[in-house]
Parts: sequence; structure tokens; C-alpha cells
Amino acid sequence: KAGVTQTPRYLIKTRGQQVTLSCSPISGHRSVSWYQQTPGQGLQFLFEYFSETQRNKGNFPGRFSGRQFSNSRSEMNVSTLELGDSALYLCASSLSSWGDASIETQYFGPGTRLLVL
Amino acid sequence: AQSVTQLDSQVPVFEEAPVELRCNYSSSVSVYLFWYVQYPNQGLQLLLKYLSGSTLVKGINGFEAEFNKSQTSFHLRKPSVHISDTAEYFCAVTRIQGAQKLVFGQGTRLTINP
Repeated sequence: KAGVTQTPRYLIKTRGQQVTLSCSPISGHRSVSWYQQTPGQGLQFLFEYFSETQRNKGNFPGRFSGRQFSNSRSEMNVSTLELGDSALYLCASSLSSWGDASIETQYFGPGTRLLVL
Repeated sequence: AQSVTQLDSQVPVFEEAPVELRCNYSSSVSVYLFWYVQYPNQGLQLLLKYLSGSTLVKGINGFEAEFNKSQTSFHLRKPSVHISDTAEYFCAVTRIQGAQKLVFGQGTRLTINP
């Protein structure tokens, strides 16, 4: 079974631009979560989508947004990029957002490394 | 809210030596516990998880962890490490009920010296 895929793997943008990152979950997984990883702040939760609905949100400004499609693929968008948005953005998928503990495990993709100049 | 503290930011050990990476957590509700590993320029890979039952959990690559509820700890151990274990290790928790949101520790960089 194919793992979580993220595109693009690397991206360079300039301040003020916007960017869209894509995540394809493991087949059959319905929940997609996004995380930001930086050397200073570590791994921080951005948001989670389940059945095309945002179920949970972390403490990030409104410039960070996301969506999920009917096939469970997800995109996240960052508008008006700032230098501090440079990070590795990780996507994770799991079978379900609720319920059976044994299927709650999140599986991560390789990430998209974003550099803002 | 949940929080995770990994007590060592860096752990250097010699090849074939045992290693323990320490993790303490804080939570007012019941949680699940995880250890993930991140190799250079890669995403996170699940090593093991504690959901319920036996407090000693075995994972991949010869790693194991012990859940200690009274000490709110979930330390990771391996009896004999290899060069290939060089990576960053993250301890994480999530609430049992409700939101699918992992809260991570700051990570421990494990360096294996020959």
C-alpha cells in the first residue's frame, strides 16, 4: 500500500507570496492532519480534516488555511508569506478521527520543505 | 492541555551500547503515547505506541518503551544500538477522546559513534 505523499518536496518563495501544498493520504484513510516543523518551535499542529471538514485547529494565524477533497486529498495554503514560515510542513493521515484506538495512529509523509526569502 | 518533555536534547552513544531516551508528559485527561523517528531529510516514522494494556511496548528496529502512569513517563530503550539508529526521536501524546492532534516533545538527537 502506498504511503502518504506530499508535493512538492521543496519550494522557494519570497515574502508576500502565497503557497499551496498538497497531501495524498494512504488509501482508505479519512483523516488528514498538518504539522509545521521548525528548529525553534519544533513540531506544531496546524489543523486536521475529516470528511472534508476541519475538525481541529492549532494556534496559527488565519494566513494558514486548508481544505480536504472528497477523495480525502488535502491542501494547505499559506498567504502573505513571512520569513518565519520557512519550515518543513508534514502531512499525516489516519483511518479515522474518532473512535477505535487501534486505528488512530497517524502515518506521516516525507514533508514539503518551504524556504521563504 | 497536554505537554511533553524530552529530557535530553542530544544523546551520544557508542555502537552496540544500550540507550534510553527519556520522555515525560503532562495531561489532565487520559492519553495515548507514541515514539516517532525522523531520519535526515525524511518525515516521521512510527516506532511504537501505547494505547492500553501491557505497559511494556515493543516496536520496530528492536526498540521498546515502558509506560509508567505514576511517573507520567514513557521512556524509549534499545539494548544495543547500530550506526543506522542515528536519527532524531520524538515522543508524542494525543487525547484518547476527541481531536486527532499529536503534541510532540522537542526531540532527542541520537548519535551513534563507532
